[in-house]
Amino acid sequence: SQTIHQWPATLVQPVGSPLSLECTVEGTSNPNLYWYRQAAGRGLQLLFYSVGIGQISSEVPQNLSASRPQDRQFILSSKKLLLSDSGFYLCAWSPALGAGELFFGEGSRLTVL
Amino acid sequence: GQQVMQIPQYQHVQEGEDFTTYCNSSTTLSNIQWYKQRPGGHPVFLIQLVKSGEVKKQKRLTFQFGEAKKNSSLHITATQTTDVGTYFCVGATNKLIFGTGTLLAVQP
Repeated sequence: SQTIHQWPATLVQPVGSPLSLECTVEGTSNPNLYWYRQAAGRGLQLLFYSVGIGQISSEVPQNLSASRPQDRQFILSSKKLLLSDSGFYLCAWSPALGAGELFFGEGSRLTVL
Repeated sequence: GQQVMQIPQYQHVQEGEDFTTYCNSSTTLSNIQWYKQRPGGHPVFLIQLVKSGEVKKQKRLTFQFGEAKKNSSLHITATQTTDVGTYFCVGATNKLIFGTGTLLAVQP
């Protein structure tokens, strides 16, 4: 069966520090991968999605970047965090782009101080 | 850009009362999905609707997809405390766009 792992679960970072969140999927090949951000009490904002290795689509201009160095690995990064980067970051995968169920990781809660 | 709005943003009901959340897209959708997110958790898939006018039921939950494939609703009959959480619709075109969500609180 397919599983998705996301880490770290919680982190507190100072403004201006770098960020790296990792997500891996097991039990499937060539998944479509997504990074979402959820501000407190708000909906989910799509940040990036990827249909294959090295292929990244960015949805909103921001302080973040994403990379997909391997088929089932998706990384969210920042060189210098801002206060506004605080939130709940969710990695997800789906078997097809724009269709089919989204399977979410447990999420990473980032607090920037 | 494509937007998916939900109303209400928040609903507080007494246990046993019914609950409905409505979802509206600015564009025609190929399908719509519904997710539930418990407080502190991640969204969990509930259902997908594909056909115009489609209605699906899961126990006390009834999902509808509008004839124009631009709106949808989720109705919960006789709410229970386990129904607490945020319900999101997700509109699909060439990508999946989350609605703004409806937070449901159920008072025992």
